[in-house]
Amino acid sequence: GAGVSQSPRYKVAKRGQDVALRCDPISGHVSLFWYQQALGQGPEFLTYFQNEAQLDKSGLPSDRFFAERPEGSVSTLKIQRTQQEDSAVYLCASGVRGGNTEAFFGQGTRLTVV
Amino acid sequence: GNSVTQMEGPVTLSEEAFLTINCTYTATGYPSLFWYVQYPGEGLQLLLKATKADDKGSNKGFEATYRKETTSFHLEKGSVQVSDSAVYFCALRGPYNFNKFYFGSGTKLNVKP
Repeated sequence: GAGVSQSPRYKVAKRGQDVALRCDPISGHVSLFWYQQALGQGPEFLTYFQNEAQLDKSGLPSDRFFAERPEGSVSTLKIQRTQQEDSAVYLCASGVRGGNTEAFFGQGTRLTVV
Repeated sequence: GNSVTQMEGPVTLSEEAFLTINCTYTATGYPSLFWYVQYPGEGLQLLLKATKADDKGSNKGFEATYRKETTSFHLEKGSVQVSDSAVYFCALRGPYNFNKFYFGSGTKLNVKP
């Protein structure tokens, strides 16, 4: 498809498990964002890549959260030792370039930690 | 720092009613402004945008005007439909740091037949 693709759509993890969330951006998009959206809230910024460079990780809530985009395309958000407060929808977005342009969002991965 | 404030919902309207969802922002300089819409179980879709003062963004009957005097970007539609029921998010990006979008908390719109 032509849009941003995220997998899995749903993930249930036991507390303490590690999880990996995948994002396939739109082909050729330079910018890639990860956001966390709690139920009934607006998206909260986690991290930003321009190509393979992680330019901003100021939103990652703890060192249990790690993101990578090694070849400047697919990105993975990894959460180690998941906790209940990590339960949220994780949104990935990509954009043509930096600057003031819009971003295109995927459908998200709903993570539930039990 | 940058921030976006939206009117709290939910907003409930009858079909064909006029819609306004208020959005104000705080930023240094003139950021780009966006409205995104989120349908149940879906990600965010760009609805419209404006990149400089006095610009009007429009799409699918929705409009919003970038007002620097009032630092606002209110969303309007003249006649809503049941299919417009969704959550609407106002957002900004820039003007000096393009690494993130700042989102409001969202306004849920319910349109009744």
